[in-house]
Amino acid sequence: AQTVTQSQPEMSVQEAETVTLSCTYDTSESNYYLFWYKQPPSRQMILVIRQEAYKQQNATENRFSVNFQKAAKSFSLKISDSQLGDTAMYFCAFMIYGGSQGNLIFGKGTKLSVKP
Amino acid sequence: DSGVTQTPKHLITATGQRVTLRCSPRSGDLSVYWYQQSLDQGLQFLIQYYNGEERAKGNILERFSAQQFPDLHSELNLSSLELGDSALYFCASSVGWIQGAWNEQFFGPGTRLTVL
Repeated sequence: AQTVTQSQPEMSVQEAETVTLSCTYDTSESNYYLFWYKQPPSRQMILVIRQEAYKQQNATENRFSVNFQKAAKSFSLKISDSQLGDTAMYFCAFMIYGGSQGNLIFGKGTKLSVKP
Repeated sequence: DSGVTQTPKHLITATGQRVTLRCSPRSGDLSVYWYQQSLDQGLQFLIQYYNGEERAKGNILERFSAQQFPDLHSELNLSSLELGDSALYFCASSVGWIQGAWNEQFFGPGTRLTVL
């Protein structure tokens, strides 16, 4: 069975600074996807970034980038130049590539507060 | 706006009652997923449908059932409701299975269920 662990229940960062959210996962699969989802106070689940396990290059989306360490089963999210609108819950999620089902497995989340 | 719609936005009901949550996927998406987000359990996968057929089950209680109709909208039925069923219920949709893998999911705004 796959598990996703986010060890930081809460974090805070000053506006314009950089913050890194941690995620580790456990799986025996060799091919999978990893995602970071953002859930602002509106409760909408918004996809921030995705990484395919077979790709060595770390994914980047504007101010968001990941550090994917496959051997260590680690998938951290770096937010640069933090903005007030980044305040949200962040969920790390895992999905098997090509599995019989395509559901996401989520971590418990990290609550990020960006302070002015 | 993800293109996935869910109704109603909020639902307040009493223990023992039955409710139906509705989801309309993005245009062209064949796969629908239901997730439950509660304070104690986090985000959990309930069930997946693909092109009208049940594809996978997660932590779905026997009191809960779902279906996907020919027009691809889906309904989640919750019966004999208990206080612990109070949660945010998300529907997500994806194109489905393409080139040997499941595609990424887009989430609806959720239905907030309160059982009193």
